[in-house]
Amino acid sequence: DGGITQSPKYLFRKEGQNVTLSCEQNLNHDAMYWYRQDPGQGLRLIYYSQIVNDFQKGDIAEGYSVSREKKESFPLTVTSAQKNPTAFYLCASSIGQGETYNEQFFGPGTRLTVL
Amino acid sequence: AQSVAQPEDQVNVAEGNPLTVKCTYSVSGNPYLFWYVQYPNRGLQFLLKYITGDNLVKGSYGFEAEFNKSQTSFHLKKPSALVSDSALYFCAVRDSSTDSWGKLQFGAGTQVVVTP
Repeated sequence: DGGITQSPKYLFRKEGQNVTLSCEQNLNHDAMYWYRQDPGQGLRLIYYSQIVNDFQKGDIAEGYSVSREKKESFPLTVTSAQKNPTAFYLCASSIGQGETYNEQFFGPGTRLTVL
Repeated sequence: AQSVAQPEDQVNVAEGNPLTVKCTYSVSGNPYLFWYVQYPNRGLQFLLKYITGDNLVKGSYGFEAEFNKSQTSFHLKKPSALVSDSALYFCAVRDSSTDSWGKLQFGAGTQVVVTP
């Protein structure tokens, strides 16, 4: 899982509640990403950030929000607007903004369950 | 648009036999191709990538993959499978002709089961 940590490992959310997933990396990577993983669907991109104080929506950004105030941190908030948030959430990072051939390094994931 | 397909949901192989996990892709420019492995309740681990050059790419844990431009394929292979290779494998593609961001597109994954 490299130098990327995610917390908590398991998270339970009640209906109508916002929750924040933590992602920290010590790899000095510029780019960071959030993915959602559902069985049989692979990984879908929620948000990405190529540099501090900048981030972009991915394919399924609705109901999610992020911030990138520090290079090493990229927290994801799952809001009450996300109607089906139960999933496995993966954070990743990669070197550089324009070097698109570099692989992404993944954290261990957070499993979110709605009660 | 870019896309990637893993036609097999599951691959079953006996320990010691060759293992192949299939991947085909579609991009408008030249592809950057990646293979990752995921063990239960863990993040993805990078295995190997193709950027340019030699069509046969060697990676971690004895895995290799062959890039075939005419068939738009990037199949993952291992000559002799181990029980510990049982995991979920993802192929991913990025189009080199897109802007500097270059979104990574993942396949749905292939579950590999290696039996003793």
